[in-house]
Amino acid sequence: QSALTQPPSATGSPGQSVTVSCTGTSSDVGGYNYVSWYQQHPGKAPKLMIYEVSKRPSGVPDRFSGSKSGNTASLTVSGLQAEDEADYYCSSYAGSIRSVFGSGTKVTVL
Amino acid sequence: QLQLQESGPGLVKPSETLSLTCTVSGGSISSSSYYWGWIRQPPGKGLEWIGNFYYTGITYYNPSLKSRFTISVETSKNQFSLRLTSVTAADTAIYYCATLAAAGLKFDYWGQGTLVTVSS
Repeated sequence: QSALTQPPSATGSPGQSVTVSCTGTSSDVGGYNYVSWYQQHPGKAPKLMIYEVSKRPSGVPDRFSGSKSGNTASLTVSGLQAEDEADYYCSSYAGSIRSVFGSGTKVTVL
Repeated sequence: QLQLQESGPGLVKPSETLSLTCTVSGGSISSSSYYWGWIRQPPGKGLEWIGNFYYTGITYYNPSLKSRFTISVETSKNQFSLRLTSVTAADTAIYYCATLAAAGLKFDYWGQGTLVTVSS
């Protein structure tokens, strides 16, 4: 299974929005509504931010939202804050209890 | 609230076998609510799913990886383990244990990760 494709970087100013895409195939992203997103700060473990395409775990600000169209999922961070600067990874279910991660996107807050 | 903690050697020689353990607290490893999994991250690179174990005894592995990985469980100690044979420098990575929730298929609890370096 190949890694899902994400842009290497995304940039936004404080208060603006940034969107990160995650492109897979009909065997993973396009085939299931089990796309999740993870935030990883340097030296830290990943943290779940979005699951089942658009659901937020308790404690995750509503500035984080997710969507999906076809084989591409997206994470949008609205009202960017300095603490949102991190690496973001998407993940998708790929059938038979297999998971696949995206290549990762570094979000920079100017 | 589940807590996971990895343990194992920080340094392994090439061609040797790596063994890591994940100790679970705050819940039972026999729970049907979770798959118990391993994920790794080479320095400066992205996340790679290795495999999951379910309480029924079934294991699932990344088909892209060579069959050098084995995940096992020690129920009495509430631990699960990862064994990797014939390691090379390409196996140098931070290894995370994590739970894949059966509902939602999301990795919701993570250990802090343990860096394993393969070097002679």
